[in-house]
This record gives sequence, C-alpha cells and structure tokens, in this order.
Amino acid sequence: GENVEQHPSTLSVQEGDSAVIKCTYSDSASNYFPWYKQELGKRPQLIIDIRSNVGEKKDQRIAVTLNKTAKHFSLHITETQPEDSAVYFCAASTGNQFYFGTGTSLTVIP
Amino acid sequence: NAGVTQTPKFRILKIGQSMTLQCTQDMNHNYMYWYRQDPGMGLKLIYYSVGAGITDKGEVPNGYNVSRSTTEDFPLRLELAAPSQTSVYFCASRPFSRGSYNSPLHFGNGTRLTVT
Repeated sequence: GENVEQHPSTLSVQEGDSAVIKCTYSDSASNYFPWYKQELGKRPQLIIDIRSNVGEKKDQRIAVTLNKTAKHFSLHITETQPEDSAVYFCAASTGNQFYFGTGTSLTVIP
Repeated sequence: NAGVTQTPKFRILKIGQSMTLQCTQDMNHNYMYWYRQDPGMGLKLIYYSVGAGITDKGEVPNGYNVSRSTTEDFPLRLELAAPSQTSVYFCASRPFSRGSYNSPLHFGNGTRLTVT
C-alpha cells in the first residue's frame, strides 16, 4: 500500500515568518493530495488540496507544491499568525483510499 | 446540513466489553470511512465503504467490524475491547467524484475511547 512520510514532526516559527511542511509518498498511482489542519480536540479540516495534473496551487497565505517525479509535495504558509498554530496532516489518495502522514505540530510564537 | 455526526463523544470501556460507535451523514455521500488516531501516528484507516451494502478493510481492521445498510449510517463495532484500541476514532465521508480525482474527506468530531 501507499506510504506517506511527513517532516518535520514539530515546527516553531515567529509570527510573520513562513512555515514549510514536506511530505513524500511511495505509490506513483496516487493522484490527489489534500492537506488538513487539526486544532486541539477538534476534527481535521481541509485547508487546501492539489491534483496530480497541477504543480502548484495557492489560496491566500497557503500554497501547495507537487513534484510527481520526486514523489513529494509541500505545504507553504506565509505571514504566519498565532491562529495558524495546529497540527497539519498531509495525505495521498489512490483508488478509494486516503493515506495520511504522521502530522506536523506547528507553533506560531507571537 | 449537520454534516458527519458521531456518537458518543467519549466512552470508557472495560477490557472484553463491546460497543458500537455511531456515524451518520446527511450529505448523501457515497463513501464513508473509519479512521483511528493515535498520538504521533497520524490517521490509520480501519474500514471504508463505497456505498450501501459494500464494505472493505483498511490498514488496521483487526478487532473491528462495520456494516453499511443505508447511505447515511456507517457504525463501527468493537468486539472484546482491548487496551490497544484506546484511541480517538474519526468517521469521514465524501461524495462520488466524476473523473480521475477523488473528492476531499469530511470528518466528524470524533469519539475518544479509553479501554481499561
């Protein structure tokens, strides 16, 4: 099956700085890559996603890049704010299944 | 729409007891999933369903059972609970997607289960 690795496991940044989270996947058949944000005690919520026919997608301060050849994709958050503090999960989807990374705990220091 | 609703929110079980985690969605989604989330381990797929009457095993199905008799409901059954099943359980659903690409998962609020 698919194997998704996510790094780093924890990340601390100063407010206003950028944060980058990286994921790799193993199955070249994976073609859909969502990112979820999970606040403490809450449900995971979709923040951005990308399909394999696109190399980059941006939504305000959030962007995702995909390199199919290298099988890796990254989440970029610019101008971080304290409310960005949460756990972020990447996922790779193939067929009917979604495979998740182990999460990155992001702390934005005011 | 209420979205994906899970009950109960919290439960404590003794070893060997059984229980059913309820999940219902009102978005008429074809696909439903059960994940467990352990600290530092991400989300692991237990079972999923592509429609009423059809279920399939995920990565960690041992100790669990599911059924999908209606589009709306996808209960997860734990038989003979074990401490290793202490976890947070999330139900999710997504609509059928035309074309090659999947649609995103919509998660419920989770059930925190402790087995002692």
